[in-house]
Amino acid sequence: GNSVTQMEGPVTLSEEAFLTINCTYTATGYPSLFWYVQYPGEGLQLLLKATKADDKGSNKGFEATYRKETTSFHLEKGSVQVSDSAVYFCALSDRRLTGGGNKLTFGTGTQLKVEL
Amino acid sequence: DSGVTQTPKHLITATGQRVTLRCSPRSGDLSVYWYQQSLDQGLQFLIQYYNGEERAKGNILERFSAQQFPDLHSELNLSSLELGDSALYFCASSVGGQGGTGNTIYFGEGSWLTVV
Repeated sequence: GNSVTQMEGPVTLSEEAFLTINCTYTATGYPSLFWYVQYPGEGLQLLLKATKADDKGSNKGFEATYRKETTSFHLEKGSVQVSDSAVYFCALSDRRLTGGGNKLTFGTGTQLKVEL
Repeated sequence: DSGVTQTPKHLITATGQRVTLRCSPRSGDLSVYWYQQSLDQGLQFLIQYYNGEERAKGNILERFSAQQFPDLHSELNLSSLELGDSALYFCASSVGGQGGTGNTIYFGEGSWLTVV
């Protein structure tokens, strides 16, 4: 079945540091890949997405490239801010889901703490 | 604001009781999804409805049921509640019902259920 593996957290960085959160996936079909973010006390927000190999998703300074050869979708940001402190979830959606439905398979989430 | 509306935001109830969580999808979205987020299980897909019909089913307990009404809003019914059902329940919506096509799923802010 499909699965998503994320690096363990929490990740603690100083403001303006470079961020990488690793995400790898296993899928039987041709997944779309997503990063969602959950700020403290809030719901899940879509951060970025990529629908096919070599696509790069980007938003708010965050980027992730769909790497089919390494089955990865690592999240990066060149300079983090305190306001980026949140939990980040990598997820996939596979078009080959039986019955034609849609289902997001999530990783366990990586908590990011950014300090001044 | 994702446009997905969930009520109630917080709910405290006793074991053995039954509750109903309500969700209004984004305008124009035909699919509604329910997810459960707990500390030990992470984010788990429960069920998907598309235009009133069940489209995909995940790890939904038999004590739980859902439906989508003609106006496309959805309800998740949780009965014979146990302490372990305490969790954050997300509703989400998307335009289409198919996975893997970049069909973006937007989440509400969730309903916090505490079973005491």
